[in-house]
Amino acid sequence: AQSVTQPDIHITVSEGASLELRCNYSYGATPYLFWYVQSPGQGLQLLLKYFSGDTLVQGIKGFEAEFKRSQSSFNLRKPSVHWSDAAEYFCAVVSMDSNYQLIWGAGTKLIIKP
Amino acid sequence: GAGVSQSPRYKVAKRGQDVALRCDPISGHVSLFWYQQALGQGPEFLTYFQNEAQLDKSGLPSDRFFAERPEGSVSTLKIQRTQQEDSAVYLCASSLGTSGTEAFFGQGTRLTVV
Repeated sequence: AQSVTQPDIHITVSEGASLELRCNYSYGATPYLFWYVQSPGQGLQLLLKYFSGDTLVQGIKGFEAEFKRSQSSFNLRKPSVHWSDAAEYFCAVVSMDSNYQLIWGAGTKLIIKP
Repeated sequence: GAGVSQSPRYKVAKRGQDVALRCDPISGHVSLFWYQQALGQGPEFLTYFQNEAQLDKSGLPSDRFFAERPEGSVSTLKIQRTQQEDSAVYLCASSLGTSGTEAFFGQGTRLTVV
């Protein structure tokens, strides 16, 4: 079955440090991939998406992600994190059985050290 | 408002009680989704509407769950005879198109069954 794996449940980084959140997916064809952020009390907000083309995707809030087909990965990066980036981050892929349903990873909680 | 609105934000139900959760999508959005998010997990797909048509209800966990979108805008998720395992955050999302387009999420309804 199709799946999305986020291997890190929690990640702690110092403010100003760089960040990489990992995401691996299982999918036969070219996937539609997303990263969402969920802050406490807030809805899920789309950070960026990959459908095709350039494998390095720029998103909002200074985030970027790189699609690597050979590694089945879509890791999220930010060069310098801010305290306001503390949140839960979810990777998702559009289901190959339908073209609308999202299949989600379990999320990675980002903790920022002052 | 400009975003997806869900009500109530919090609901405490006694086991066996029926509940109704409301979703007001973004005006003009064709697609509407319901997801269930258990604590510490990513969202799980429940059901999908395209306008008023419920095209996919494969994720509804039991026949106690029922969703409708009678006029192609507001949607209601109803859970009959609630059980403790129904405790979760129920997320509604809408999107302008019908496939692979960005989904905008509401803040969710946190249901606690006691």
